[in-house]
Amino acid sequence: AQSVTQLDSHVSVSEGTPVLLRCNYSSSYSPSLFWYVQHPNKGLQLLLKYTSAATLVKGINGFEAEFKKSETSFHLTKPSAHMSDAAEYFCVVSDPRDDKIIFGKGTRLHILP
Amino acid sequence: DTAVSQTPKYLVTQMGNDKSIKCEQNLGHDTMYWYKQDSKKFLKIMFSYNNKELIINETVPNRFSPKSPDKAHLNLHINSLELGDSAVYFCASSHNDRDPEAFFGQGTRLTVV
Repeated sequence: AQSVTQLDSHVSVSEGTPVLLRCNYSSSYSPSLFWYVQHPNKGLQLLLKYTSAATLVKGINGFEAEFKKSETSFHLTKPSAHMSDAAEYFCVVSDPRDDKIIFGKGTRLHILP
Repeated sequence: DTAVSQTPKYLVTQMGNDKSIKCEQNLGHDTMYWYKQDSKKFLKIMFSYNNKELIINETVPNRFSPKSPDKAHLNLHINSLELGDSAVYFCASSHNDRDPEAFFGQGTRLTVV
C-alpha cells in the first residue's frame, strides 16, 4: 500500500533564506512522485515530478527535489525564498502500475519579510 | 465523517452517454474544485466555484458542465462521453478562494468504452 507523509503542516522562513519542505513516502513499487503548489484562488500547479530518471529533479520557480530511496524521502528545497512562494504545497505519490495517487496533507509555507 | 466525498468511485459507460459525478464536502468550505488526472498522472484544474459562483473555468469541452446546487456540493455533468474522457477526476475544497489549503476526494475513475 502506498502512503505519503508531509512532516510539517506549517513552515515559516524569512525571505532570502532556504526552504525545505519534507515528504516521506511508502510504496511497494518504484513510485512516481510529484510536488504541487496551490496559491490562493488558484488550482494546483505542478512544480516538479520524479519518474525513475535522475534522482535530483529541478522544477519551476527555482524549486528542486531529491529522490532518496534509502530514506524513502522526496524533500522539496529552494535556495532562497521569495514572498511569492507563500502557498500550500502538496507531495503526491503515484504507483505506476495503476492510476491511484495519494496526496499528502499539505504544508503551508509562510514567508517572513 | 469523510470530508470530501465523490460518487461513484468507479464509472464505466459507453461512448455517447451522459453521466454525472457528484461531490460533497462537509467541511463548511466556500470553494470547490474539479481536477482531471491525465494519462501522465498530472492533475489539471477544470473548474472552481466559490459560494456557488464559477471563478475558474479552464479550457475544457463544453460537454463538461459543473453544477453547484449549494456550496457543499459541486457536481460534474458530462454529455456525449468520448473515449478521451476516460480519466480519474478529483474533487477538492478549500475554506475560501483566498485559502490555498485544499482537501481532496478519493477520485472517480471514469472509463468510456
